[in-house]
Amino acid sequence: DAKTTQPPSMDCAEGRAANLPCNHSTISGNEYVYWYRQIHSQGPQYIIHGLKNNETNEMASLIITEDRKSSTLILPHATLRDTAVYYCIVRPLNTGNQFYFGTGTSLTVIP
Amino acid sequence: EAGVTQFPSHSVIEKGQTVTLRCDPISGHDNLYWYRRVMGKEIKFLLHFVKESKQDESGMPNNRFLAERTGGTYSTLKVQPAELEDSGVYFCASSQDHRWNYGYTFGSGTRLTVV
Repeated sequence: DAKTTQPPSMDCAEGRAANLPCNHSTISGNEYVYWYRQIHSQGPQYIIHGLKNNETNEMASLIITEDRKSSTLILPHATLRDTAVYYCIVRPLNTGNQFYFGTGTSLTVIP
Repeated sequence: EAGVTQFPSHSVIEKGQTVTLRCDPISGHDNLYWYRRVMGKEIKFLLHFVKESKQDESGMPNNRFLAERTGGTYSTLKVQPAELEDSGVYFCASSQDHRWNYGYTFGSGTRLTVV
């Protein structure tokens, strides 16, 4: 079962930063935080993952609190194509094989 | 590189019929996964292949579902006989190894409608 809590929906103005929160208060020391998104009618797409340090790639930034009980995915300049359902997932990096997707946050980028 | 390819993109069948979904993973990816989202529910894991072997099939809902990966390349997921509750989107994903440093790569899915 999903071990994360996310708001069901959010809006963001085009061109502004989208900040998507995720609570994972029961995260274990060996579990990573992954973010995926699903754009309508496509398969889930990997965005970013991290353990305890903040991470940045060409798509997004991931900010993890010091106690690791929550994190925020930041899309620095949201575009209409970023409208999607965003999933925050915690799991160990080197073990197991399942992602528990949960219900995610439906982000709508508004023109 | 080519992504994960799934066939068909859509399938509409009658209850009681058989349907076979196909997944072609990224070349060289030993790990292949099947997931599905049935109507109104979350995306759920079905099973995991490492090459031709089933590593974990704990998510398979019942014995009407049969997955194969002969030769460790493409995989098929057969539903026989199909029931109304099997309607949904079936996703396939692949990864080079189980550590997923960059996550899986998912296909676009097969939308199955059982009428």
